[in-house]
Amino acid sequence: DGGITQSPKYLFRKEGQNVTLSCEQNLNHDAMYWYRQDPGQGLRLIYYSQIVNDFQKGDIAEGYSVSREKKESFPLTVTSAQKNPTAFYLCASSGRHDGYTFGSGTRLTVV
Amino acid sequence: AQTVTQSQPEMSVQEAETVTLSCTYDTSESDYYLFWYKQPPSRQMILVIRQEAYKQQNATENRFSVNFQKAAKSFSLKISDSQLGDAAMYFCAYRSATTSGGYQKVTFGTGTKLQVIP
Repeated sequence: DGGITQSPKYLFRKEGQNVTLSCEQNLNHDAMYWYRQDPGQGLRLIYYSQIVNDFQKGDIAEGYSVSREKKESFPLTVTSAQKNPTAFYLCASSGRHDGYTFGSGTRLTVV
Repeated sequence: AQTVTQSQPEMSVQEAETVTLSCTYDTSESDYYLFWYKQPPSRQMILVIRQEAYKQQNATENRFSVNFQKAAKSFSLKISDSQLGDAAMYFCAYRSATTSGGYQKVTFGTGTKLQVIP
């Protein structure tokens, strides 16, 4: 079955560390997205990518970085510059006229 | 910029009853898509229903239906015969149909937490 796989499900980061969240899709979607979800808030867009080797900043890109070397993969790195990284992170992909298909998310906690 | 407002942070409904979740949005565009997503405790986001703005007919998916009022910029979700499995966060979302470089940003509301009472 086609879908989006995010890993790991839970991730713990020490102060000053960079961590990378994985997102893989086999839906043949061109566009992929990373959202952050905090309690009491909606989803906020971090980065998005329409095609391989191209990506754009979303509303809250500071402290994050991404790459898009393959159509299927869109990893997100949370850098030490992100001062409040504890959140739930959702990856999504879409076709041209569709809504999003989401992964199951990664819960990141700073320890 | 488009905004999506869900004014009900929490709602509750008795099992087998009907509940309506509200959503309003602000846009200057005439062609767009609207969505309702469900996020159960597992936190997996699931597409519930979708509406194209150019269609006057309200979308329906089994027990889920919408009341789309384009002039009022209102997009409410009605859940009929509520079941325990309907308990979740529900997010209203807006997506432009303008293919600006192929990317169509989705804007989400802040969500409504639905409790289903047995």
